[in-house]
Amino acid sequence: QVQLQESGPGLVKPSGTLSLTCAVSGDSISGSNWWNWVRQPPGKGLEWIGEIYTETTNYNPSLKSRVTISLDKSKNQFSLNLRSVTAADSAVYYCARRLSCISGTCYFDSWGQGTLVTVSS
Amino acid sequence: EIVLTQSPGTLSLSPGERATLSCRASQSVSTIYLAWYQQKPGQAPRLLIYGASSRATGIPDRFSGSGSGTDFTLTISRLEPEDFAVYYCQQYGSSPFTFGPGTKVDIK
Repeated sequence: QVQLQESGPGLVKPSGTLSLTCAVSGDSISGSNWWNWVRQPPGKGLEWIGEIYTETTNYNPSLKSRVTISLDKSKNQFSLNLRSVTAADSAVYYCARRLSCISGTCYFDSWGQGTLVTVSS
Repeated sequence: EIVLTQSPGTLSLSPGERATLSCRASQSVSTIYLAWYQQKPGQAPRLLIYGASSRATGIPDRFSGSGSGTDFTLTISRLEPEDFAVYYCQQYGSSPFTFGPGTKVDIK
């Protein structure tokens, strides 16, 4: 059974860079699945940030200019960097696995518990 | 970008009643790329339905999904106390992947 666990600073200063890591167990990030980041501002809905598969990335255009998602195969984890943050970037950040599209099974089947990041001075 | 709209915003029902939640897309979504999630306070979203109508592993059969094109429905046949939560639809067939704003099912 795959498990995902987010980690990183809970407080980031405005104009700084938000950096989070998702540790994966029970699956290899070098395999056929996509590895995603989704966020949820307090009391609001879900927003997809982007995903990575091997060295291929796919970002939400609304965040693309500020986002980088990368893999660390040696540690079986993937990371999110979000630059030039503002208070609007304060949210719970989730990592999630999206299954490969073989046989149409492309859905997000596993999620981390989420980590709250607050942008404040 | 495909915009998803959910209705109603809030559904007030009693345990044992039937809940019908709607998700409408701004353009056609292939059925294999439509999912429903349940989210409780302080928890991550939990996958209920994928491919518009397939239940995820461990999901009770009181949850069912249907629909095609731009109109999709999640039905909870008989509400249990643990079903009171927020429900989101999601399309994952066209990037950027998008979620609806959610329907809150609360206790009447």
